[in-house]
Amino acid sequence: ETGVTQTPRHLVMGMTNKKSLKCEQHLGHNAMYWYKQSAKKPLELMFVYNFKEQTENNSVPSRFSPECPNSSHLFLHLHTLQPEDSALYLCASSQGASGVETQYFGPGTRLLVL
Amino acid sequence: DQQVKQNSPSLSVQEGRISILNCDYTNSMFDYFLWYKKYPAEGPTFLISISSIKDKNEDGRFTVFLNKSAKHLSLHIVPSQPGDSAVYFCAASVSNTGNQFYFGTGTSLTVIP
Repeated sequence: ETGVTQTPRHLVMGMTNKKSLKCEQHLGHNAMYWYKQSAKKPLELMFVYNFKEQTENNSVPSRFSPECPNSSHLFLHLHTLQPEDSALYLCASSQGASGVETQYFGPGTRLLVL
Repeated sequence: DQQVKQNSPSLSVQEGRISILNCDYTNSMFDYFLWYKKYPAEGPTFLISISSIKDKNEDGRFTVFLNKSAKHLSLHIVPSQPGDSAVYFCAASVSNTGNQFYFGTGTSLTVIP
């Protein structure tokens, strides 16, 4: 595997379900990110991890819970989601977390909440 | 309120001609800008960047222009090729405040053979 991978690619879940999204980067980077992209809206940064430590949480509801066990893996745990949470969730990584680091994106997980 | 705006949701261009994609921003603190390209079912891929100390950066067929006074940047693709058909996102950041990029909503470019 190369680059940034995400699983699953598609997910349908009910509002009472618990599921997790997984991201893995094979680039040796130290920073990882979760973004949300809703239809006709810009990418919204959700969380930033730098050297496994969370450095940004952009007022994300607690029904989204990130986990970063090491610099290569990032999870997004989902529970009691709402239909408006349906979106494309993108993971990204970068070498560092300065404001000029290029971020490399995974293909995303398309989430539908029923 | 969106700090980075791409006001053209779509653009069609004939193969071989120039494609010009535009992006406006409102935050005067932004000093680093990038363009990403996204194909369907794939994540965005980095295309080209520019720092605010420059007003132009060129990489092969792709050139980004920055007009700081107008808070405007543009991406020129010359000559356009059918494989350039994709969604293009611009993004901006304040370089000394962490790696938070603000993205536009994207412009879908179609290059007609």
